[in-house]
Amino acid sequence: AQSVAQPEDQVNVAEGNPLTVKCTYSVSGNPYLFWYVQYPNRGLQFLLKYITGDNLVKGSYGFEAEFNKSQTSFHLKKPSALVSDSALYFCAVRDMGNDMRFGAGTRLTVKP
Amino acid sequence: DTEVTQTPKHLVMGMTNKKSLKCEQHMGHRAMYWYKQKAKKPPELMFVYSYEKLSINESVPSRFSPECPNSSLLNLHLHALQPEDSALYLCASSQDRDRVVGELFFGEGSRLTVL
Repeated sequence: AQSVAQPEDQVNVAEGNPLTVKCTYSVSGNPYLFWYVQYPNRGLQFLLKYITGDNLVKGSYGFEAEFNKSQTSFHLKKPSALVSDSALYFCAVRDMGNDMRFGAGTRLTVKP
Repeated sequence: DTEVTQTPKHLVMGMTNKKSLKCEQHMGHRAMYWYKQKAKKPPELMFVYSYEKLSINESVPSRFSPECPNSSLLNLHLHALQPEDSALYLCASSQDRDRVVGELFFGEGSRLTVL
């Protein structure tokens, strides 16, 4: 079985500050991990993924995520937040033989 | 072309109507998906087509009927829906469901309101 948890419903940061959106996962095999962003009334946009290799993954719009196998985490980070980063963020996981499963989502608000 | 195109963007229908949602991709992807998303909730998988064959039906009521006419097109036929079926319906595609674990590419969604 596979599952993913996003422990925070809401994250608030000030513009220019670093941001972190947390994600933990549970899979029986090797994890394939993804981050998506959703703006109001829009579809999901792919940000980045971890399949294998380097634990630090760089993605779109300056976002990056760190895969930590011992803590089963895949937190999304950005060094300097922008107001335009305000959106709903979904972590997702899948392993071979299963379809993608999404976390509950975290609403990020970046204040000027 | 890295787009998944969904039509219509908005749809309002009565409980006795028959309507269809359409999805198109030209990325050569062989897996296509329908998701249902309620406000402030994650997408819920409804159907998966792999190589134009229905692979997964996540216990979706029969008032939703998917169709995959060819590798680029995916339809969702709607009939006798209930007000609780009002949601954002998202189409997605991926390179291959079973042999490649890759990201999904989502369309902008069709906002459905059932009166």
